[in-house]
Amino acid sequence: EVQLVESGGGLVQPGGSLRLSCAASGFSFSTYWMQWVRQVPGKGLVWVAHMNTDGSITRHADSVRGRFTISRDNAENTLYLQMNSLGAEDSAVYFCVRGNPLIEDWGQGTLVTVSS
Amino acid sequence: DFVLTQSPDSLTVSLGERATINCKSSQSVLYSSDNKNYLAWYQQKPGQSPKLLIYWASTRKSGVPDRFSGSGSETDFTLTISSLQAEDVAVYYCHQYYIAPLTFGGGTKVEI
Repeated sequence: EVQLVESGGGLVQPGGSLRLSCAASGFSFSTYWMQWVRQVPGKGLVWVAHMNTDGSITRHADSVRGRFTISRDNAENTLYLQMNSLGAEDSAVYFCVRGNPLIEDWGQGTLVTVSS
Repeated sequence: DFVLTQSPDSLTVSLGERATINCKSSQSVLYSSDNKNYLAWYQQKPGQSPKLLIYWASTRKSGVPDRFSGSGSETDFTLTISSLQAEDVAVYYCHQYYIAPLTFGGGTKVEI
């Protein structure tokens, strides 16, 4: 069974940083593109970033480029999202998702709240 | 960016009745090389993460009840729930995976 378990969310002050992690299991992690998608509670889904199997290809949404960085550790079956210079507009549930271009599976999400 | 516009924003359907959700893309998601529409549908129940229902516009994911069906091509797509069940109460999103940045429709809330 595919499992994607996010962690690292929480309350952070504006301008602060957080690092999200996604522990993957139940599939061959190193053979799948991985992505991050976020959702403001009660609102729609917004793509954040993706990364190819070996980490050599990444792309970030315009809204986070230069502030967020996606990365992965295939030896640890873990996906990361380093988030810097956080603003209120970044408050959302962040989902780790498997697959590209088709998103096949979603984690349960981790909530990030940016507030003073 | 590809903009996906869903309609309606919400709909109320009686148990056993048909629910129809539309999704219109600002550009065609039909890839000429493989003649496939890069359009998927997801279901998100309250308090849960989204789940894949339909991909390639009309292919049901294994295990998805056959009351769910997808149709359409190029820019106009439809998700149909043929006989609504109580467990189908959710928000439904269309999603284009034709080109980055991947985009989603605004969602349609289905209630009974």
